[in-house]
Amino acid sequence: DVQLLESGGGLVQPGGSLRLSCAASGLTFSNYAMTWVRQAPGKGLEWVSVISGGGGNTYYADSVKGRFIISRDNSQKMVFLRLNNVSAEDTATYFCAKHRRLNWNFDSFDFWGQGTMVVVSS
Amino acid sequence: QSALTQPASVSGFPEQSITISCAGTRSDVGGYNSVSWYQQHPGTAPKLMIYDVLNRPSGVSYRFSGSKSGNTASLTISGLQTEDEADYYCCSYTSNNTYLFGTGTKVTVL
Repeated sequence: DVQLLESGGGLVQPGGSLRLSCAASGLTFSNYAMTWVRQAPGKGLEWVSVISGGGGNTYYADSVKGRFIISRDNSQKMVFLRLNNVSAEDTATYFCAKHRRLNWNFDSFDFWGQGTMVVVSS
Repeated sequence: QSALTQPASVSGFPEQSITISCAGTRSDVGGYNSVSWYQQHPGTAPKLMIYDVLNRPSGVSYRFSGSKSGNTASLTISGLQTEDEADYYCCSYTSNNTYLFGTGTKVTVL
């Protein structure tokens, strides 16, 4: 079975940085694009970023572009999201999700982790 | 980009059918057959229910079906059951090489 496990969430001060990790198992990891989605408390889902299976293509939502960096290590079956210069608006549960296909585009997300909570507060 | 527009809530009695709409633009819903739907129960991760507008993943009940007309996609739940009570989100690939979720719809079984 495919399993995704996020970690790295916690309390961070405004303007600070944090790195989220997502460990995958039960799949040929490099065959699939990976996405991060976040959900602020009591709010809806917001797509954050995607990385292709080989890592050569990355895209970001306008709300995080220039501040967040997505990366992956296929040898370790992990995907990361580096959050820089965070603000209160970044407070959310961050989910990693597996794409159905190798390509990052024209796709959907068929397996999700349980999420890791990030709280931005002084 | 603003989120795709969904009704805030939809309700129905058991065994009834309900439909959730997802309104976008030519740059997202109307431009691609890459619309998906997700079910989320409180405190849990979203679950893929429909992909590529109308396809069901293995294990998803036949009672869930998807369609699209122009810039609006729809999710229909037939034979509504108590376990269908949850939040539902549509999602579309966009011309900006990104993805866009809907505002979300709370389904209540009366």
